[in-house]
Amino acid sequence: EAGVAQSPRYKIIEKRQSVAFWCNPISGHATLYWYQQILGQGPKLLIQFQNNGVVDDSQLPKDRFSAERLKGVDSTLKIQPAKLEDSAVYLCASSLGETEAKNIQYFGAGTRLSVL
Amino acid sequence: AQTVTQSQPEMSVQEAETVTLSCTYDTSESDYYLFWYKQPPSRQMILVIRQEAYKQQNATENRFSVNFQKAAKSFSLKISDSQLGDAAMYFCAYEGAGGYQKVTFGIGTKLQVIP
Repeated sequence: EAGVAQSPRYKIIEKRQSVAFWCNPISGHATLYWYQQILGQGPKLLIQFQNNGVVDDSQLPKDRFSAERLKGVDSTLKIQPAKLEDSAVYLCASSLGETEAKNIQYFGAGTRLSVL
Repeated sequence: AQTVTQSQPEMSVQEAETVTLSCTYDTSESDYYLFWYKQPPSRQMILVIRQEAYKQQNATENRFSVNFQKAAKSFSLKISDSQLGDAAMYFCAYEGAGGYQKVTFGIGTKLQVIP
């Protein structure tokens, strides 16, 4: 079974530039999560999708961050414009969302973003 | 809002020995899930163990077990017979039950295994 795929693995940009990250969850997983993990901290949920609908985006800085999950499969997270404090690893995770094991999350390798 | 506290930034253990990582949480809910996730250096985060709050029996997965104290809101992870591959960041996480709940992570504990 293929895992959660994320790209790119690394990205370096200058502040005020735009950047986009892509995530393809495990096939059949209804729930998709985007996390921001700043160095030395635990992951912080940015947005959670159930199929193609948003379940929680309370911690997403909506003035600069946006995310979509068209067709309820893969997802993109965009930052425009980036700030220095956006430097972090962006993790994507997915879960079945349907059964007893619904809330076991499977994580991708993450995208490490450096904003200069 | 729920909070998860991991008070040990770093821990070390001798190979083959046992180590316990601490986690406390704060919630007003009666039903919820608790998790321990492992994040090896430069590798993906994976689930170590999951505990459902309504189950009094502590969860175990091979060398990994938890001590779940609901009244004290404590959820510690015990790793027995530590192996070099256990070296990683360990994150404690909380998720409320019912519907789609946000997962809250602690800041993590870095575990070093000494050969």
